[in-house]
Amino acid sequence: DAGVTQSPTHLIKTRGQQVTLRCSPKSGHDTVSWYQQALGQGPQFIFQYYEEEERQRGNFPDRFSGHQFPNYSSELNVNALLLGDSALYLCASSLLIYGTGETQYFGPGTRLLVL
Amino acid sequence: KQEVTQIPAALSVPEGENLVLNCSFTDSAIYNLQWFRQDPGKGLTSLLLIQSSQREQTSGRLNASLDKSSGRSTLYIAASQPGDSATYLCAVSRTTDSGGGADGLTFGKGTHLIIQP
Repeated sequence: DAGVTQSPTHLIKTRGQQVTLRCSPKSGHDTVSWYQQALGQGPQFIFQYYEEEERQRGNFPDRFSGHQFPNYSSELNVNALLLGDSALYLCASSLLIYGTGETQYFGPGTRLLVL
Repeated sequence: KQEVTQIPAALSVPEGENLVLNCSFTDSAIYNLQWFRQDPGKGLTSLLLIQSSQREQTSGRLNASLDKSSGRSTLYIAASQPGDSATYLCAVSRTTDSGGGADGLTFGKGTHLIIQP
C-alpha cells in the first residue's frame, strides 16, 4: 500500500514564475491538506481539499491555489513566485471522520527554491 | 488564533536516558493533538495521536499525555537511542467553522533532539 506521494522532489524557479506541485493521497483517504515549511520552522497550513472543494484555508494569499481531482489526488499552484516562497511543501492525506479527529499522513515533500 | 510552543528548542542527551519534550497551546478547543517526527530534509512521520477526550497514548517507548484544561502535552521517550535523533513536532487541530471534522493542523517549531552514542 503506497503512502502519500509527491512530485517533483525538488524544483528551482525564478521570481515571477508559476509552479504546480502534485500529491497522491494514501489509499482510502479522501482529504488532502497542503503545508508550507520554511527552514527551521514548523509547517504552516495552506488549505485543505475534500470532495474536490476547498474546505478550509490558512493565512495565505490568493497566489496560492489548489485543486482536487475525482481520484482524490491534488495540485498546489503558486503564481508570481517570490523569494519568500522558497520552502518545503508538504502534502498530507486523511480520511474525513465527522465528530472525531483523524491522523494526517504526510508525504516526503517538494523542495522549492525560488531564485 | 491558536499558537503552539515547544520547549526546549533543542536537546542533546546521552544514549539510554529517559526524556520529556513539552508542548503548549493557547486555545483548548482542540479536536486532537499529534506528535510527529521529522528527519532532516524529509516529510513528517506520525508518532501518536491523542483525541481531545483522551488523556494519553502509548506506542512502544513513546508515551504522550494531554491536559486540555492547561493547554499542555508531553512526549516521553524511554531508553533513548541514537536512532531517535530527529526533530519532534507537536500539532493541534480544532473543529472547522462548519462544525464537521478537523481542520488544518497548527504546528509548533519543534524540538531538535540529538541522542549521543
